[in-house]
Amino acid sequence: QLAESGGGLVQPGRSLRLSCTTSGFIFGDYAMSWVRQAPGKGLEWVGFIRRNAYGGTTEYAASVKGRFTISRDDSKSIAYLQMNSLKTEDTAIYYCTRHIPVAGHDALDIWGQGTRVIVSS
Amino acid sequence: DIQMTQSPSTLSAYVGDRVTITCRASQSISSWLAWYQQKPGKAPKFLIYKASTLETGVPSRFSGIGYGTEFTLTISSLQPEDFATYYCQQYYTYPYTFGQGTKLEIK
Repeated sequence: QLAESGGGLVQPGRSLRLSCTTSGFIFGDYAMSWVRQAPGKGLEWVGFIRRNAYGGTTEYAASVKGRFTISRDDSKSIAYLQMNSLKTEDTAIYYCTRHIPVAGHDALDIWGQGTRVIVSS
Repeated sequence: DIQMTQSPSTLSAYVGDRVTITCRASQSISSWLAWYQQKPGKAPKFLIYKASTLETGVPSRFSGIGYGTEFTLTISSLQPEDFATYYCQQYYTYPYTFGQGTKLEIK
């Protein structure tokens, strides 16, 4: 129901855009997050985008704020992660996840299979 | 940011054992805690939310409890498919934060 794409090998300082194509649910009804996992490491939340009904605003982790931008196209049921000024430490598998709201607080119930990003010269 | 600390980092157990993983938050998160299971090369799987509510389809041998800053995940009788890495995550406030993970290994 979530499928990430767009990963690959990129040089430091360059940009990459990841896509998360969704199906099986009404995309516009859900907030979406991106979570990453560096090789052999744990999970790190990257950021999220609210539903357009709540302004479609975004929040980011400090490690990516100012470099990464999350957007959404409800007409296509796709979420995006634009990554600029990439650093070697951004090397990771990037997962998109769906928020499931519970009394105003959202857990992450559905995860894509992930797309690998390698930042290296 | 709220720090999440899991213990132990690694746990060795036999099939049929009862095991418990602990997750501590650096400040109160009420009951806004989730647990995920991740197997090698796979995406995390959503197990438990609001500290103790099992996601649909998760076997009843999994249970969670806790409030405030201390939480536990218990597996009552380990099955071969339960050997994996488990993560806790607070969703009380942004930025969301995860524990460092607990790797559950077969003894």
